[in-house]
Amino acid sequence: GESVGLHLPTLSVQEGDNSIINCAYSNSASDYFIWYKQESGKGPQFIIDIRSNMDKRQGQRVTVLLNKTVKHLSLQIAATQPGDSAVYFCAENMKDTGNQFYFGTGTSLTVIP
Amino acid sequence: DTAVSQTPKYLVTQMGNDKSIKCEQNLGHDTMYWYKQDSKKFLKIMFSYNNKELIINETVPNRFSPKSPDKAHLNLHINSLELGDSAVYFCAVQDRPSTDTQYFGPGTRLTVL
Repeated sequence: GESVGLHLPTLSVQEGDNSIINCAYSNSASDYFIWYKQESGKGPQFIIDIRSNMDKRQGQRVTVLLNKTVKHLSLQIAATQPGDSAVYFCAENMKDTGNQFYFGTGTSLTVIP
Repeated sequence: DTAVSQTPKYLVTQMGNDKSIKCEQNLGHDTMYWYKQDSKKFLKIMFSYNNKELIINETVPNRFSPKSPDKAHLNLHINSLELGDSAVYFCAVQDRPSTDTQYFGPGTRLTVL
């Protein structure tokens, strides 16, 4: 399954399928990006990060891709599990605004058993 | 041990009251933040603060003020509470200048009646 981030805030996938969550960031000067997972009633939890000198970074079952040309970030989750159900946020770190993080709208991922 | 903790977890109060939310971190990092998350899950930065500098988001009303009694704490004081202040407030700590990763607290759900 694939989402378009800002325009499609919900994504439903079957357990075991791969998920792709997309994010468009706003500032071409941003040089550091983080994906967060937020489960119901909890704070955002760090998943994976990437710096602007990289195009791809892999973690355990997750991969982040960065396309600076079109200011696009994606999070790929392999073999999606019910425990992956959550809201996912991308955040960009804008060094030209005092190193603050700005968050995208978020995408709600629901995994269907 | 919880890296970033907040108290209380839930806060219900009347309009016009003054309240505080506490944040404590045991990570030893210098940079802390307060975020507001609205009912649509949008995360908005309110303040960033380190030992030397407070950066205020200009859209935050001056009824909100961060107070840091020591390096491990950044409390949020809110005066003359309004209905629109109802939200979930998150404290976050940033590992600067090492990795820049942010770690979030569990959140405080504020309800103004």
